[in-house]
Amino acid sequence: DTGVSQDPRHKITKRGQNVTFRCDPISEHNRLYWYRQTLGQGPEFLTYFQNEAQLEKSRLLSDRFSAERPKGSFSTLEIQRTEQGDSAMYLCASSRTSGWEGEQFFGPGTRLTVL
Amino acid sequence: GQQVMQIPQYQHVQEGEDFTTYCNSSTTLSNIQWYKQRPGGHPVFLIQLVKSGEVKKQKRLTFQFGEAKKNSSLHITATQTTDVGTYFCAGGYQKVTFGIGTKLQVIP
Repeated sequence: DTGVSQDPRHKITKRGQNVTFRCDPISEHNRLYWYRQTLGQGPEFLTYFQNEAQLEKSRLLSDRFSAERPKGSFSTLEIQRTEQGDSAMYLCASSRTSGWEGEQFFGPGTRLTVL
Repeated sequence: GQQVMQIPQYQHVQEGEDFTTYCNSSTTLSNIQWYKQRPGGHPVFLIQLVKSGEVKKQKRLTFQFGEAKKNSSLHITATQTTDVGTYFCAGGYQKVTFGIGTKLQVIP
């Protein structure tokens, strides 16, 4: 069990550019979540996958955000035409569907800075 | 949509004093989870409560889930400097809603 990993850890981009983040969950976990966290706030739910199916998506997400989990393992989060307001920490978490349902294991996050 | 509110936002305590943070939801919760985030770190799961009126203890930490399943609390007895961090409550299984968190500072 190597934990949840995220890549890159930091990303600086110019406004208008596209960025893509990757999350590798704990191998036996079939649930995967993406959150956004800004300073002084709690994690804000973005989207949720069960295996490869995207079952929930926040209404806060504009159509510039898209997430995929093609084989039910790793996931990617893409932000198109980035804006300064997208600057935040993007957190990925995974969990199992049996046993301790609800317990999420978070990755270290990707810190995005949009200039 | 579901909203989860947490108070206080900040709390400074002298080492050895007790600390409590409160969580309130606008709707009935299926469950409540508590996480701790150290400065510069990511949230780490502490516990989950699912039953009305449930009380769970972890050493110096006591977690409660209200009878109506709309509120919860975390109480730390005799705080230590290792308790420093932000404590979040969160509700839901799929679309999980986090509170704003309570940032705890412990003065040695």
